Amino acid sequence: GESVGLHLPTLSVQEGDNSIINCAYSNSASDYFIWYKQESGKGPQFIIDIRSNMDKRQGQRVTVLLNKTVKHLSLQIAATQPGDSAVYFCAENPNFGNEKLTFGTGTRLTIIP
Amino acid sequence: GAGVSQSPSNKVTEKGKDVELRCDPISGHTALYWYRQRLGQGLEFLIYFQGNSAPDKSGLPSDRFSAERTGESVSTLTIQRTQQEDSAVYLCASNPSWGGNTIYFGEGSWLTVV
Repeated sequence: GESVGLHLPTLSVQEGDNSIINCAYSNSASDYFIWYKQESGKGPQFIIDIRSNMDKRQGQRVTVLLNKTVKHLSLQIAATQPGDSAVYFCAENPNFGNEKLTFGTGTRLTIIP
Repeated sequence: GAGVSQSPSNKVTEKGKDVELRCDPISGHTALYWYRQRLGQGLEFLIYFQGNSAPDKSGLPSDRFSAERTGESVSTLTIQRTQQEDSAVYLCASNPSWGGNTIYFGEGSWLTVV
């Protein structure tokens, strides 16, 4: 069946550097994508979302890029801080929020002081 | 409350016992999800409620798992005859009925079966 997957399960980045977390999706009908951050012992928290009619969206220190041609999603975190250490999940939705989200496996980001 | 509330936050149970996990979604949110997350792993979809529609139960791993929802409010996830492999955090999430909004997660119920 369709699935969302991540290229890298772990990523270590020096504090202050930029990080990029990648996600591949296989459902070409997906219309809406979300990145979540999950800190240890907590539930996932919304970071940023993007619809399929966009290829880039920026937030505070975060940017999501969507490449529909190759079904690829990425999350860029600028000037990483220790508090950015967490597991990051991408999720897709084929009907702009009206159907259940499918989550990827997750990437563990570790910020090295 | 302002967020999704789950209880209990932690539960230790003996193998073979039944457990009930409760979720109070954000007020006004018609969609409600249950996910399971084993230690160090991703989110496994269990069940999805949307308003008065029949729930999507396609993710329930066995007939020991069931979930109910009272109208558009509280949901209960029940695991019967618990097994050690049921040990995980069970996450509930909700979102409004109109499309496009993200789903909001609770802090989860950590279940340990001994």
